[in-house]
Amino acid sequence: EVQLLESGGGLVQPGGSLRLSCAASGFTFSNYAMNWVRQAPGKGLEWVSTISGSGDSTYYADSVKGRFTISRDSSKNTLYLQMSSLRAEDTALYYCAKSFTGGVAVTFDYWGQGTLVTVSS
Amino acid sequence: EIVLTQSPATLSLSPGERATLSCRASQSVSSYLAWYQQKPGQAPRLLIYDASNRATGIPARFSGSGSGTDFTLTISSLEPEDFAVYYCQQRRNWPPVTFGGGTKIEIK
Repeated sequence: EVQLLESGGGLVQPGGSLRLSCAASGFTFSNYAMNWVRQAPGKGLEWVSTISGSGDSTYYADSVKGRFTISRDSSKNTLYLQMSSLRAEDTALYYCAKSFTGGVAVTFDYWGQGTLVTVSS
Repeated sequence: EIVLTQSPATLSLSPGERATLSCRASQSVSSYLAWYQQKPGQAPRLLIYDASNRATGIPARFSGSGSGTDFTLTISSLEPEDFAVYYCQQRRNWPPVTFGGGTKIEIK
C-alpha cells in the first residue's frame, strides 16, 4: 500500500525558513517523480515543484523559484522541500504527491494528508 | 501558462441525479487532462487521467471526455459520497502544471 507522510510544517515568521519532509513507502521510490502541491486555506490547488526519480531534474512554479528547493534521498525514501524567504502568501497546506507513471509525469495518483505551513509574525 | 476554467463554480444536485462538470483550457492540452475529487479535510484523489481513463478503483459512474480545449467530467448518478469539490489539471505544457479553480457539487 502506497503511503506518503508529510512532516515539518509549522508557524514561521516572514523571511524565515522551513524544511518539509515526505516519507514514502509501498512503492519503488526511485522509479517515480515526486511532487509538492499546496492549498491555501479555503482555496484551490497550486502546483509547487517536481523532481525526477533520479533527482537530476527539478521544476518549480514561478511563485517559489529561487526560494524553494526540492530534493530527495532514495536511501531514506524521503522527499524534501526546503523553503526560505517565506512570505505570508506561502501559507498553505503542503501535499506530497507521487507521479502516476515513470518518467517525469505530472499526474498525481497518491497524495499525503498534508502538512500546514503558516507564515505570520 | 495554460489557464483552466471550470464551470459551474457550484452545482446543486440531488442524489441519483446526473452531474456534468466542465473544464476549458486557454489553449490545447491534447488529452493531457486529469480530474481529482477532494472532500473536506481530505487530500485530493485522482479520478480520471488523460481525459478519459478511470484511475484504479474509481467507480464506473465517473467518466471523462473531451480533447483539445474542452473537457467534461460526468457522474452518471450521484451517490452521497460524491458531494465534493472537483478539480481539473493539465500536464500538456509544463512547467507550470496548472489546476482549474474547482467545481463544488453540493446537495440540493
